[in-house]
Amino acid sequence: ETGVTQSPTHLIKTRGQQVTLRCSSQSGHNTVSWYQQALGQGPQFIFQYYREEENGRGNFPPRFSGLQFPNYSSELNVNALELDDSALYLCASSLTGDWGYTFGSGTRLTVV
Amino acid sequence: RKEVEQDPGPFNVPEGATVAFNCTYSNSASQSFFWYRQDCRKEPKLLMSVYSSGNEDGRFTAQLNRASQYISLLIRDSKLSDSATYLCAVNDYKLSFGAGTTVTVRA
Repeated sequence: ETGVTQSPTHLIKTRGQQVTLRCSSQSGHNTVSWYQQALGQGPQFIFQYYREEENGRGNFPPRFSGLQFPNYSSELNVNALELDDSALYLCASSLTGDWGYTFGSGTRLTVV
Repeated sequence: RKEVEQDPGPFNVPEGATVAFNCTYSNSASQSFFWYRQDCRKEPKLLMSVYSSGNEDGRFTAQLNRASQYISLLIRDSKLSDSATYLCAVNDYKLSFGAGTTVTVRA
């Protein structure tokens, strides 16, 4: 059973650029959610996808957008990057959302 | 008021000690709760779910107090390898995390 995989592991971008982060969910999991974790903070919910539809969104601006594909993999896109977007971005998958989520190892994004 | 709040610690305890800490949540209708462990610069890993009746997994015991809206985690016979940040999470269609409690076990 493969776990959640994320790519890339590290990324450096310039302010104003756009970035796409990718996530492959654990086999059989149809729910994928994305989190932003700043240094010293807990993960903050960005949004969640269930069977290719967004079914929840946290307090993030519209320049944070996402997709889920038929194979349940997912992308997080961030436009017009700001310095404060520097963080660890975590993808998590779950079968129904009622049980524990499994996290990928994250993408560490640095905006300079 | 934050959705989920934790005592940040740090808790610095000797090997073999017992350490316990709490996490409060704001939504009284919340139904499922978890403890995650996060090592430095790594992803959170599910430690245990928290059930209404309380549950135990080896040296770890989790409790839920719905009346006071808090969950707790107790670690008995602490090991050096227990040093980590412990995140509580409340599942209301999405996970809401606390900022984490840092535990350091010293030899």
